[in-house]
Amino acid sequence: QSALTQPASVSGSPGQSITISCTGSSSDVGAYNYVSWYQLHPGKAPKLMIYDVTNRPSGVSNRFSGSKSGNTAALTISGLQAEDEADYYCSSYTSTNTPYVFGTGTEVTVL
Amino acid sequence: QVQLQESGPGLVKPSETLSLTCTVSGSSISSDYWGWVRQPPGKGLEWIGYIYYSGSTNYNPSLKSRVSISIDTSKNQFSLDLRSVTAADTALYYCARTAGGTFDYWGQGILVTVSS
Repeated sequence: QSALTQPASVSGSPGQSITISCTGSSSDVGAYNYVSWYQLHPGKAPKLMIYDVTNRPSGVSNRFSGSKSGNTAALTISGLQAEDEADYYCSSYTSTNTPYVFGTGTEVTVL
Repeated sequence: QVQLQESGPGLVKPSETLSLTCTVSGSSISSDYWGWVRQPPGKGLEWIGYIYYSGSTNYNPSLKSRVSISIDTSKNQFSLDLRSVTAADTALYYCARTAGGTFDYWGQGILVTVSS
């Protein structure tokens, strides 16, 4: 099972919106509505930002939103803030012999 | 608030067994699925496997021959054993609760280095 494909880096200025893509296949992203997004800060526990493609856990800012079209999912961060600077990973449930696959990761920089 | 905390040695010798424990607080481990994810330095996340409170397990096929996950409901802990380690197993190891298709709570991770 290959990792889902994400851009290595995305940047934006404070207040702008950015979108991170997560491209998989008909065996994972395209097959299930089980795409999640995680925020990783060094030294901290990863934080779930979006689950089941579009759902936000309690406490996550509504500046974060998720979507999916075909085999590609996306995370949009609107009103970019300095605190959003982190690594972001997507994950999906899969129909292969590995039930979960992660994306390659995207480094978000706030200019 | 569900919290997870990894513990174990930060240094393991090649060919030996890497053993980590995850202690869960704020939630009974006698429900849900509990798993492990790792991140080698400079690389992405890799799912290792999970265990259900009943003891049933599922492992990443690439690690299946070397990995075991166990659970101790009396201590609200679950553990990871990875046998015959090499330098390629050097990574930040996370424990996480698996809920449906997502990992909703994570530990902050423990760096394990494989070196003589």
